[in-house]
Amino acid sequence: NAGVTQTPKFQVLKTGQSMTLQCAQDMNHEYMSWYRQDPGMGLRLIHYSVGAGITDQGEVPNGYNVSRSTTEDFPLRLLSAAPSQTSVYFCASSYSGQGRTEAFFGQGTRLTVV
Amino acid sequence: TQLLEQSPQFLSIQEGENLTVYCNSSSVFSSLQWYRQEPGEGPVLLVTVVTGGEVKKLKRLTFQFGDARKDSSLHITAAQPGDTGLYLCAGAQGGKLIFGQGTELSVKP
Repeated sequence: NAGVTQTPKFQVLKTGQSMTLQCAQDMNHEYMSWYRQDPGMGLRLIHYSVGAGITDQGEVPNGYNVSRSTTEDFPLRLLSAAPSQTSVYFCASSYSGQGRTEAFFGQGTRLTVV
Repeated sequence: TQLLEQSPQFLSIQEGENLTVYCNSSSVFSSLQWYRQEPGEGPVLLVTVVTGGEVKKLKRLTFQFGDARKDSSLHITAAQPGDTGLYLCAGAQGGKLIFGQGTELSVKP
C-alpha cells in the first residue's frame, strides 16, 4: 500500500522562485494537511482540508497556497520562495471517526531556499 | 505560544533506565495521539487515547490521558537504544491535529 506519497524528496530554490509540493493519498481519507517542521518547533500546521473543495488556514499559512480538487491530491504551492521557508515539509492524510483523529504522514520534502 | 507543551525537550539516558515524557495543554482535545519519528522519515502513530483517564500499554510504553482530556504522559520502562527518536504528542480538534514541540530521546548503550 502506498499510503501518502510526497514529491519531491529534496528541493533547492532560489529566493523568489515558485514551486509546488505534491501530495497524494490512496486511503480515501477526507482530511489532509500540510505541516512544516523546524528544529525545536515540532510540526506546525500550514493549511488543511476537510474534503474536496474545502480548505482552511493553519498556524503558519502566509506564503503558501493550497487547493483540493480531488479526495486524493492536496498540493502545496510556494508563491515566491523566501529563506524563511527553508524547512522540512510533511503532508498528512487523516482518518477521523469514533472520537479519534489519526494521521498518516508522507516521507517529507526537505526544502532549501537560497 | 504552543497550544501543546511537551517536556522535556531533550532527554539523554542510559539503557535500562525509565523515563516519562509529558504533554500539557489548557485546551480540551477529543483525542490525543503519540507519534515517533526517526531521522529522514515522517512521524509514525504509536497510540491514540480518547477517554479521560485512559491508560494504554504498548510493550514497554505506557500512555495515559488526563481525566480532563487536556494532558497526557508517555512512560518508557527499561529504555533500549532502539527507543531513540523524536516523540511527538498531538491533540485533535475537529479534523485538525495540533502538535507539541517534541521530545528528542537518546538512549545510550
